[in-house]
Amino acid sequence: DQQVKQNSPSLSVQEGRISILNCDYTNSMFDYFLWYKKYPAEGPTFLISISSIKDKNEDGRFTVFLNKSAKHLSLHIVPSQPGDSAVYFCAASRRAPFGNEKLTFGTGTRLTIIP
Amino acid sequence: SQTIHQWPATLVQPVGSPLSLECTVEGTSNPNLYWYRQAAGRGLQLLFYSVGIGQISSEVPQNLSASRPQDRQFILSSKKLLLSDSGFYLCACQTSGASYEQYFGPGTRLTVT
Repeated sequence: DQQVKQNSPSLSVQEGRISILNCDYTNSMFDYFLWYKKYPAEGPTFLISISSIKDKNEDGRFTVFLNKSAKHLSLHIVPSQPGDSAVYFCAASRRAPFGNEKLTFGTGTRLTIIP
Repeated sequence: SQTIHQWPATLVQPVGSPLSLECTVEGTSNPNLYWYRQAAGRGLQLLFYSVGIGQISSEVPQNLSASRPQDRQFILSSKKLLLSDSGFYLCACQTSGASYEQYFGPGTRLTVT
């Protein structure tokens, strides 16, 4: 049961343009969402997150949008740079009773920025 | 901020051999610790998590086990490796009760031959 889905396995974007990565989820109990960036043979690095009480969070070139009614979130990167080429994972979580919040990850989208 | 160390970085082991991967964390106390595996072309699968010393929860039945002998040490083990155990193993930590973010170590690439 894939509760977090990234339906686009890959995406190519011209340098300087906007990159939009999408993520859908099925579990309405999720209340916190995160995006991670991963280079080959390295661990994922945390990029940006959003609580379910918000619909937008911005950090520099990265903005995450959350549409709770559609159970959909997206990551916008603008302007896209060559160093943004990586695999991006969407993750979701819900408050756990003992403070142990488990993350459910999507399968990732490989973003390639074309110079 | 926390730093997560994992070793070895790469490992090639024959089928049927034992496994021990180690993860240590600096810069935080009483973290929640996690083991993930990323198989080729797949997402991140949670294998084990721990909220304290000696407390291990398993997410999926498998050929692996985990232990937490010290607050900031998390070990992934197997008595006999299978070909299907090949993958990229990641340790992650989360500051208990503070936030949802998990921070990952550099990973171990395991190839079972």
